[in-house]
Amino acid sequence: EDQVTQSPEALRLQEGESSSLNCSYTVSGLRGLFWYRQDPGKGPEFLFTLYSAGEEKEKERLKATLTKKESFLHITAPKPEDSATYLCAVQAGSNYKLTFGKGTLLTVNP
Amino acid sequence: SAVISQKPSRDICQRGTSLTIQCQVDSQVTMMFWYRQQPGQSLTLIATANQGSEATYESGFVIDKFPISRPNLTFSTLTVSNMSPEDSSIYLCSVEGGMTPNTGELFFGEGSRLTVL
Repeated sequence: EDQVTQSPEALRLQEGESSSLNCSYTVSGLRGLFWYRQDPGKGPEFLFTLYSAGEEKEKERLKATLTKKESFLHITAPKPEDSATYLCAVQAGSNYKLTFGKGTLLTVNP
Repeated sequence: SAVISQKPSRDICQRGTSLTIQCQVDSQVTMMFWYRQQPGQSLTLIATANQGSEATYESGFVIDKFPISRPNLTFSTLTVSNMSPEDSSIYLCSVEGGMTPNTGELFFGEGSRLTVL
C-alpha cells in the first residue's frame, strides 16, 4: 500500500526565515509526486509535479526537489501570504489515484 | 484550468438523514473525483465518476452510503446517506487540469463542510 508521511505537522516561521517541508513516501513504481497548497476554507491548489529523482521545480519562493525516498518543499524568504497547508501526494504503478499525506500547516508571521 | 462550484458550502445535518452535494464544472470533463477530508486526516478518494457509467468506488466506500450521479460532462452529485457524526467532514469535488488524462494535476472545488449532530 502506498504511504505518504509529511513532516513537520506544523511549522511557524518569521517572515524571511527560510525552511523546508518534508514528504517521505513508500510506493511501488512512482509515476509522479505532487505538491498542493490549501488555504483555509478552500480546496487544494496544484503547485508542482515531480517525476524522477533529481528533478527540481520552482515557483516564486517555492522550490520542490525529489529523491528516491522523499521530496522537499523549500521556502525561501517566506511572506505571510505563504501561510497555508501544504499537501504532498503520490501516484504510483498503473493506478491513477493520488495518495495524499496529512499536510504541513505553515504559518509565516510578519 | 477549470472553475468548480460546489453546493452547499456547508451544512449542519441530523443523524440519520441524507444530503446531496452538487458539483458544477465550467467545462466538459471526462472524469470527476469525489474526495473526503476529515479533520487531521489525509485527503481520501471516495470514488471516480465517469459520465454514462457507474462510479468506481475506492476500498472502504460503498454505493449505498455514497451514491453518485453523473448525468452529463459538467455536473455530478454525491449523496451522503443515513449520516452519522463520523460522516462530519469536508467533501471535495475535483477534475483533472491538463489535456492529458491521469496526470494527477487536479482542480478542486472549495468543498462542502458537513457537520452531523
